[in-house]
Amino acid sequence: AQKVTQAQTEISVVEKEDVTLDCVYETRDTTYYLFWYKQPPSGELVFLIRRNSFDEQNEISGRYSWNFQKSTSSFNFTITASQVVDSAVYFCALSEAKTSYDKVIFGPGTSLSVIP
Amino acid sequence: NAGVTQTPKFRVLKTGQSMTLLCAQDMNHEYMYWYRQDPGMGLRLIHYSVGEGTTAKGEVPDGYNVSRLKKQNFLLGLESAAPSQTSVYFCASRWTGGDEQYFGPGTRLTVT
Repeated sequence: AQKVTQAQTEISVVEKEDVTLDCVYETRDTTYYLFWYKQPPSGELVFLIRRNSFDEQNEISGRYSWNFQKSTSSFNFTITASQVVDSAVYFCALSEAKTSYDKVIFGPGTSLSVIP
Repeated sequence: NAGVTQTPKFRVLKTGQSMTLLCAQDMNHEYMYWYRQDPGMGLRLIHYSVGEGTTAKGEVPDGYNVSRLKKQNFLLGLESAAPSQTSVYFCASRWTGGDEQYFGPGTRLTVT
């Protein structure tokens, strides 16, 4: 069965610190997609990244980077030099080929507070 | 393009009342989803649709019904609201399987 775990419920960091948000997933499928979404205090959900299971290259986008490791079933998200605007709830999500990617299962989210 | 819109934005119901939440998208997406968001539980999938005229159950379908009579609309119905259905409801859509989802602004529902 699909499952996404985000063990960190809440994290607080001081501005300019680096922070890593953990995501561990479970799937019996060999082909799947992983996602990260951001939910700022305003409430909308914003897509950040998609990664398919065959692409284990790490990705960097500005201050954001993602580390995908199939060996540990993890897809961790790092924010470098955090800013107050990074304060949000971050969700990791999974969809599998065996369900034709129809279902998207979300983790419980990690609430990040960046303190000025 | 308006993207994904949800109607209403807020609603208060009494136990036993019924209501319908409307989700509309103007991106010609095939897939549409209804989620509920509760503190500490993230987003849980209620029902979804992979195309006009089709619907399927998600993780927490009990107490809800859905319909997708038109490709651009996905309706979520509560036949007899219960306090346990107090939540924020999000609708989402996407073009094909594997693509990212586009979310609506959410509907905050309170059942007293």
